Formats: sequence, structure tokens, C-alpha cells
Amino acid sequence: KQEVTQIPAALSVPEGENLVLNCSFTDSAIYNLQWFRQDPGKGLTSLLLIQSSQREQTSGRLNASLDKSSGRSTLYIAASQPGDSATYLCAVGIDKLIFGTGTRLQVFP
Amino acid sequence: DGGITQSPKYLFRKEGQNVTLSCEQNLNHDAMYWYRQDPGQGLRLIYYSQIVNDFQKGDIAEGYSVSREKKESFPLTVTSAQKNPTAFYLCASSMPGQPYGYTFGSGTRLTVV
Repeated sequence: KQEVTQIPAALSVPEGENLVLNCSFTDSAIYNLQWFRQDPGKGLTSLLLIQSSQREQTSGRLNASLDKSSGRSTLYIAASQPGDSATYLCAVGIDKLIFGTGTRLQVFP
Repeated sequence: DGGITQSPKYLFRKEGQNVTLSCEQNLNHDAMYWYRQDPGQGLRLIYYSQIVNDFQKGDIAEGYSVSREKKESFPLTVTSAQKNPTAFYLCASSMPGQPYGYTFGSGTRLTVV
């Protein structure tokens, strides 16, 4: 059974820092891996999608990588801003997504 | 604008009562999903439907029921058999096999009083 783990569970950094969020999965036979952002009490917004044949995707200050052989994905956030404060969730699958527990990020001025 | 609308935003349930959460989408997506989120945890799949008049159980379907009579609508009923219903419920939709455009609603927070 696929299990998805995210570390750290929480992270607090000063504005301007570059940071890395980690996502691990137990079954490398994934179709896709997505990174989502969730603001408190809100739904999820898709940030980046990496298809199983790809190794990374970039959008603005965000870069996500995928290493299926080691069962890992990382989300790199460059030059963090207070507006980046949110919970970040990774999910694997193509229709029925399996989610990690999330990393709660706080960026302080 | 296309999107998913969940209502109500907040819902209170008394012990032994059934309640229904609404989810409507105008994205013309074939697939719709219900997820449950508990504090500090990820999302867990309750039910999903890939076509009208058909739906399947997810990982935690006990105590819940759904219907899919229209493509646009996928209501979730939390029955009295669900012993711990207090949670944040999220509805999502997508086109099957096409992960781009997986869209979530803004959620319903259900509390037992």
C-alpha cells in the first residue's frame, strides 16, 4: 500500500531564505506527483505536477524534483516571502490521490 | 469563472443526525471526489465518481453515502453511523487520466455538537 510522508512537519524561516520541503513515497510505481498549497481553512491549490517520466518542473520561484528510484520528491522555494506561509502537501496518483501529511511553513518578515 | 462550490462553509451536526454536504462544479469534469482532512493530517479519500450514476468507495467510506445523479453535482451525506464526523471535508473534480486541472472546492467544516 502506497504511503506518503512529508518532513519536516513544520518549518519557520526568515524572509529571503531558500528552503526545501521533502516528500517520500513507498511505491515507486507512481503515475504522477503533485505539490499543493493550502491556506488555513481553505481548499487546495495545485502548484506543480511532475509526470512519472519527468524529473522536475519549475514555476516562478518554485522548483519540484522527482526521483522515483529513491522514492523522493523535493519542493524548492527560492527567496521565500511572508506570502508563502501556508501548508504544502504532496500527493501521488493520477485520479485517486494519496496525500502526505503536509509541511506547515511560516515565513516571518 | 469555472470552479467548484461547496456549501455550507460551516455545518453543525447533533448526535444521531444525518447531514448532507453539497458540491457543485461547472468545469465539465467527469470525475468528482470527496476527501476528509483531520487536524495536522493529509487528505483521505471517502468516495469518488468517474461517471454519472456510478461511484466507488475510497479508503474511509464507512458512515458516508453519496449520489451522482448529475454530472455537476456530487453530494455527500454523513450518516449517524459515522462516529467521529468532526473534520474538514473537501470536494474535488478532474478529468479521468488527466491530472492537470485537478481542482478543489473551498471546503466544509463539520462539527458535532
